Amino acid sequence: NAGVTQTPKFQVLKTGQSMTLQCAQDMNHEYMSWYRQDPGMGLRLIHYSVGAGITDQGEVPNGYNVSRSTTEDFPLRLLSAAPSQTSVYFCASSYFEGANEQFFGPGTRLTVL
Amino acid sequence: KQEVTQIPAALSVPEGENLVLNCSFTDSAIYNLQWFRQDPGKGLTSLLLIQSSQREQTSGRLNASLDKSSGRSTLYIAASQPGDSATYLCAVLHLIQGAQKLVFGQGTRLTINP
Repeated sequence: NAGVTQTPKFQVLKTGQSMTLQCAQDMNHEYMSWYRQDPGMGLRLIHYSVGAGITDQGEVPNGYNVSRSTTEDFPLRLLSAAPSQTSVYFCASSYFEGANEQFFGPGTRLTVL
Repeated sequence: KQEVTQIPAALSVPEGENLVLNCSFTDSAIYNLQWFRQDPGKGLTSLLLIQSSQREQTSGRLNASLDKSSGRSTLYIAASQPGDSATYLCAVLHLIQGAQKLVFGQGTRLTINP
């Protein structure tokens, strides 16, 4: 199992550009989520999904869109990047029942100029 | 609103020492508590998961305890090694209206000196 994979690892954008951060998992997990990690702020939940076709907002959803068309993939879209979105982004997944142990991807480091 | 606090924020100890990292949370209605390790520039690696009905979990030199009623967890590291140097994060999981809400502490940055 590859676990949770994220691409790209690094990205530099200009203000106003759009991009999609990719996240995939091969563990057949129902639950997937996106976090951002900022110095002094810890990890904060952006969006999450409890299954294909079902998504909802987390703590800091503004400026981000998500969709879940398959169990495996959960992309995060920045429609018009802003410098405040400079951060490290992590994707996580887990089963929805049972232990609910969270598995994290390696992260994407995004800089918006 | 759930708040998770980790003390100390940073810790530096000589190799071989046993040490304890602390995590406290304000809302005891948690589903589980998970300890993670994060190396610089890397993702989060799960170390131990404690269900709300459990008191402790062990993996190798690591032992995590949970006292849900007092809102506390500790991570005990025995015989520390330089390779244990990393940031350790604790996170509590709530199940709210069908959604999983994971709330993180700020982490403890641990340095083990050879």
